[in-house]
Amino acid sequence: GESVGLHLPTLSVQEGDNSIINCAYSNSASDYFIWYKQESGKGPQFIIDIRSNMDKRQGQRVTVLLNKTVKHLSLQIAATQPGDSAVYFCAETPFSGYALNFGKGTSLLVTP
Amino acid sequence: KAGVTQTPRYLIKTRGQQVTLSCSPISGHRSVSWYQQTPGQGLQFLFEYFSETQRNKGNFPGRFSGRQFSNSRSEMNVSTLELGDSALYLCASSYQDRNQPQHFGDGTRLSIL
Repeated sequence: GESVGLHLPTLSVQEGDNSIINCAYSNSASDYFIWYKQESGKGPQFIIDIRSNMDKRQGQRVTVLLNKTVKHLSLQIAATQPGDSAVYFCAETPFSGYALNFGKGTSLLVTP
Repeated sequence: KAGVTQTPRYLIKTRGQQVTLSCSPISGHRSVSWYQQTPGQGLQFLFEYFSETQRNKGNFPGRFSGRQFSNSRSEMNVSTLELGDSALYLCASSYQDRNQPQHFGDGTRLSIL
């Protein structure tokens, strides 16, 4: 069935480096995409979102890229800090619905 | 602005019992969604409420139910608990429109013995 998946389950980066977390989706009807960060013992925290009529959106130290041709979403974190260590989820919503369909998550570990 | 509040934070039940979880959305948010998070299945959508009406429903058995009150607060109920219901139950709220970010609470950790 339709699904949202992640290419890498874990990612280890050094403090100060840039991080890239990837996500593939299969539902061509998806028109809204979100990235969440989840720290241990907490709920998912909204990072950034993007609509299907956009290719790129920037926030504070984060950039989301959307490639609808290959159904690929990525989250770029600049100058990664130890506080960025968490599990990152991508999620999408199809045009007809309100529910978020989540990927499995990527664990980001930032080492000093 | 206060975030999404879920109570209780932790709950231990035994098989066959029922449980009610509570969620208070961010002020002004009228849509409330519930998700189940487990290590094996990840985050899965349960249902979404808006103006006291269930607007969307995920693929869960009828033992899982919910409701929303006129002040947008929501509850979910699980009857005849099974071991597999052990999970983190997350509530999220958003404004009424589609394509608005959902903001999550820290969840209720439900353990079934």
